[in-house]
Formats: sequence, C-alpha cells, structure tokens
Amino acid sequence: DAGVTQSPTHLIKTRGQQVTLRCSPKSGHDTVSWYQQALGQGPQFIFQYYEEEERQRGNFPDRFSGHQFPNYSSELNVNALLLGDSALYLCASSPGTGVTDTQYFGPGTRLTVL
Amino acid sequence: AQSVTQLDSQVPVFEEAPVELRCNYSSSVSVYLFWYVQYPNQGLQLLLKYLSGSTLVKGINGFEAEFNKSQTSFHLRKPSVHISDTAEYFCAVNYGGSQGNLIFGKGTKLSVKP
Repeated sequence: DAGVTQSPTHLIKTRGQQVTLRCSPKSGHDTVSWYQQALGQGPQFIFQYYEEEERQRGNFPDRFSGHQFPNYSSELNVNALLLGDSALYLCASSPGTGVTDTQYFGPGTRLTVL
Repeated sequence: AQSVTQLDSQVPVFEEAPVELRCNYSSSVSVYLFWYVQYPNQGLQLLLKYLSGSTLVKGINGFEAEFNKSQTSFHLRKPSVHISDTAEYFCAVNYGGSQGNLIFGKGTKLSVKP
C-alpha cells in the first residue's frame, strides 16, 4: 500500500512566478491537509480539503490556494512567489477530518524561491 | 496565545543511554497531544498520541510520553536509544478538536552517538 506521495521532490522558482505542488493521499483517505515547514521551524497548517472543498484554513494569504479532485488527490498553488515562500511543503492525508483521525505525511516538496 | 514549546533545540546522547525530549504547551481546557519524528529527507511519522484516558502513552520504536495536565507538559522518553533514533522530533498540540488547530513546536534534533 503506497503511502502519501508528493511531486515534485524539489522545485526552484523565481520571485513573482507561480507554482503548483501535487499530492496523492494514502489509499482509503479522503481528507488532505497542506503544511508549510520553513527551515528550523515546525510545520504550519495552510488548509484542509474534504469532499473537494476547502474546509479549514490557517493564517496564510490568498496567494495560497488549492484544489481537491474526485479521486481525493490535491494540488497546492502559490501565486506571486516571495522569497519567504521558500520552505518544505508537506501534504498529509487522513481517513476523516476529526482530531482522532491520524494524519499521514508525505516526504514533502522543497520549494526554493530565488 | 496558544503555543507549543520544545525546550531543547538539540539533544546529543550516547547509544544505549536514556533520553527525554521536553514539550510544554499553553494551558487549555481541552488538548490533544502528539509526537512526530522526521528522519532526514522524509515526511513526519506519528510516534504516539494522547487523546484521553491513561496519561502514560506508549508509541512505536520503544518511545513513551506522559501527559501532565498540572505542568502542561508532554515529555517524550526512551530508556535506551539507538543510532537509528537520530532524527528530528516534533511535539504538536491540537487545541480545538479539528485538525487545522494542530500547532507544532520548533522541533528537537536528537543525535545519538556511538
């Protein structure tokens, strides 16, 4: 059983560009959350998708948007990239939205903005 | 404000020695507590979690943690560490009952030396 997969592994962009990151959840999971992990910090919650809708959002600007597809996979889009957007972006999937539903994390996409 | 404090950014220990990684959180009526481990170039893996019930929680790889409500702590312990335990450990606290309310500490890097 494949776990959570993310693509690409690494990405280099320049300021002002747009980027799309992709996530495939663990089999049987219908909920996907995205986190940003800056260097030397813990992950910060960006948003969560369930039933193809954004259900909850952290303290991130509208430049961060997402999508969930009928097969539960998800995309994270970031527009007008800033240097401060450089980070490891983690996707986590779970079998539900409740706090008791364990989140399984993917290996992440490392985004570098120059 | 709700916060999670991991008191040590780095903890070096010798193989087969005991280790304790400390975590304190800001007080709240209802909290759910987690410890995650992150190996180099990998995503986060859940070690253990406290949702309710017994305050001593046992997790994978021989780790355990104790929920202490009066001291608002959730320290992680292992009686004898191995080289393979070298990784970064994150304490996380959910304050609100939905996954988006999960707040991570900044992490503790555990280095196990032979």
